[in-house]
Amino acid sequence: EIVMTQSPATLSVSPGERATLSCRASQSVSSSLAWYQAKPGQAPRLLIYGASNRATGIPARFSGSGSGTEFTLTISSLQSDDSAVYFCQQYSYWPLTFGGGTKVEI
Amino acid sequence: EVELLESGGGLVQPGGSLRLSCAASGFTFSRFDMSWVRQAPGKGLQWVSTISNSGETTYYADSVKGRFTISRDSSKNTLFLQMSSLRADDTAVYYCGKGWGPVDHWGQGTLVTVSS
Repeated sequence: EIVMTQSPATLSVSPGERATLSCRASQSVSSSLAWYQAKPGQAPRLLIYGASNRATGIPARFSGSGSGTEFTLTISSLQSDDSAVYFCQQYSYWPLTFGGGTKVEI
Repeated sequence: EVELLESGGGLVQPGGSLRLSCAASGFTFSRFDMSWVRQAPGKGLQWVSTISNSGETTYYADSVKGRFTISRDSSKNTLFLQMSSLRADDTAVYYCGKGWGPVDHWGQGTLVTVSS
């Protein structure tokens, strides 16, 4: 099973600042990497797929990069609505696995 | 607009069974693989199971293999998860999702609590 490790566990940032979230895979997953945003009581939302492709309707301030084992989600110019937990997921191998999440506090 | 609405969650005793349903709308259900993902209280997301668009191929996490069964009824645009031999560590919010790589739409989830 591929282990996905996210860091940091919690990130406190001010509105308008940039947030950089990391996700590391225990072995290469090529570009089969997605990022999701999860808020309490809401359906999780797909942000990024294929490591760097924004999903439909996702603002340009969300961007993804990386390949292989190292990935980054960048949220530029943070807004209060971006407070959430962010998860990465690899879909290169079964079983599908998620990272433990990064909580972004604004 | 894609909508996924889960139902069937609730309180069940250890060793009991429960059947979750997910009503899908806003897309051609029969064309897409579907998944279940869960989130235990205070924990991260955990993939549970995926079924192919035809229903012929299924995948399960080791933790639920032999206890859970995923199925679909494309005539009713509905996804199911039959859960048996439930354990306390199955307690979670269960989400229905469209696709698996990635899951591009999610439902709001249904809470399953396994406790005596």
